[in-house]
Amino acid sequence: EDKVVQSPLSLVVHEGDTVTLNCSYEVTNFRSLLWYKQEKKAPTFLFMLTSSGIEKKSGRLSSILDKKELFSILNITATQTGDSAIYLCAVEAGGSYIPTFGRGTSLIVHP
Amino acid sequence: DTEVTQTPKHLVMGMTNKKSLKCEQHMGHRAMYWYKQKAKKPPELMFVYSYEKLSINESVPSRFSPECPNSSLLNLHLHALQPEDSALYLCASSQVALNLAAKNIQYFGAGTRLSVL
Repeated sequence: EDKVVQSPLSLVVHEGDTVTLNCSYEVTNFRSLLWYKQEKKAPTFLFMLTSSGIEKKSGRLSSILDKKELFSILNITATQTGDSAIYLCAVEAGGSYIPTFGRGTSLIVHP
Repeated sequence: DTEVTQTPKHLVMGMTNKKSLKCEQHMGHRAMYWYKQKAKKPPELMFVYSYEKLSINESVPSRFSPECPNSSLLNLHLHALQPEDSALYLCASSQVALNLAAKNIQYFGAGTRLSVL
């Protein structure tokens, strides 16, 4: 059974801090790893990672994948209150057409 | 435009009611999904439609009945629900489904918050 584990489950920081969210996985025939941000309702797509060592970047957010150690990290620098959300990691693998989601990391950024 | 629109945003229903959730996308995606999400849990897949045909049913009880009238619309008909069915119901779409060679990004709607009394 495919497993996706995110850590920490929750995180509280102050504006301006840098945070690192982790996603580790145990799957057969990995294909891609996706990060989503979920505020209140809809998960919104952030990154798709398929190759090791290539950093994806969007503004203050960046992510990288390590296929040897089977994990990905999502970095957020200079956090803002608007970054408060649940960050979901999902992995596509093997013969399954559907991604397996982790439980998410709840990030709260205080002013 | 990467928008998936869901209506209604909120729904309260009794256990004997019949209601429907609606989902619409105009991105030309040929795969659409229903997920159920309980508080502090990840989304759980319910159904997948690929090219307007039901392709995956994750052992969902028959009180949930999906329908895909055309490539842009996806409905979820609800009947005789239980209080434990109260959850956020998310619709998503992607370019294709059931294609291991494709790297599909799912775009989610804002969800319908369902309360069953």
